[in-house]
Amino acid sequence: GAVVSQHPSWVICKSGTSVKIECRSLDFQATTMFWYRQFPKQSLMLMATSNEGSKATYEQGVEKDKFLINHASLTLSTLTVTSAHPEDSSFYICSASGAGGSNEQFFGPGTRLTVL
Amino acid sequence: KNEVEQSPQNLTAQEGEFITINCSYSVGISALHWLQQHPGGGIVSLFMLSSGKKKHGRLIATINIQEKHSSLHITASHPRDSAVYICAPRASGSRLTFGEGTQLTVNP
Repeated sequence: GAVVSQHPSWVICKSGTSVKIECRSLDFQATTMFWYRQFPKQSLMLMATSNEGSKATYEQGVEKDKFLINHASLTLSTLTVTSAHPEDSSFYICSASGAGGSNEQFFGPGTRLTVL
Repeated sequence: KNEVEQSPQNLTAQEGEFITINCSYSVGISALHWLQQHPGGGIVSLFMLSSGKKKHGRLIATINIQEKHSSLHITASHPRDSAVYICAPRASGSRLTFGEGTQLTVNP
């Protein structure tokens, strides 16, 4: 149980385009979802926290107009990177908590974004 | 000083060896995760513990809340255990703080 999926697993796009990444909790209702970014050889960096039905809370330094997060249901959150630039190339990972009423986070497999 | 310190940063072992990875943290926590990240990037949650000790197969995790220290042990290590192991304490709510990770390489 407690499986989280992400789609797509990798994406290559041109500079200036927008990219949407989906995060789904497959077998539980995720009251909270988290979006992380990881650059090579670095640790995960929390970008934002989202609760179902409410606006996401962004970490300091993360542009909310650039990284749009929607958590419209208890099993789906989306991250849209708008007007992507090469410096946005990174590994994006989501996690979800709420399985069995627990705060334990379960992580998705990640999405590798490359912006040309 | 980082809130979470892991040691060692890199560890190379021979198959079958007993491995220990340590994690020290400076803030009060409600629980601590040990995560495994394989070269492809996917992250697996190995343990979440708030006291004592947990065991799953060849993996053992311990935590001492008073000393703010946790350890992850791998018995009878195997090349498939090669991965980055990340300590992630949870201070409040669901928010995690991540260690830098320990790169483990187990040679056959």
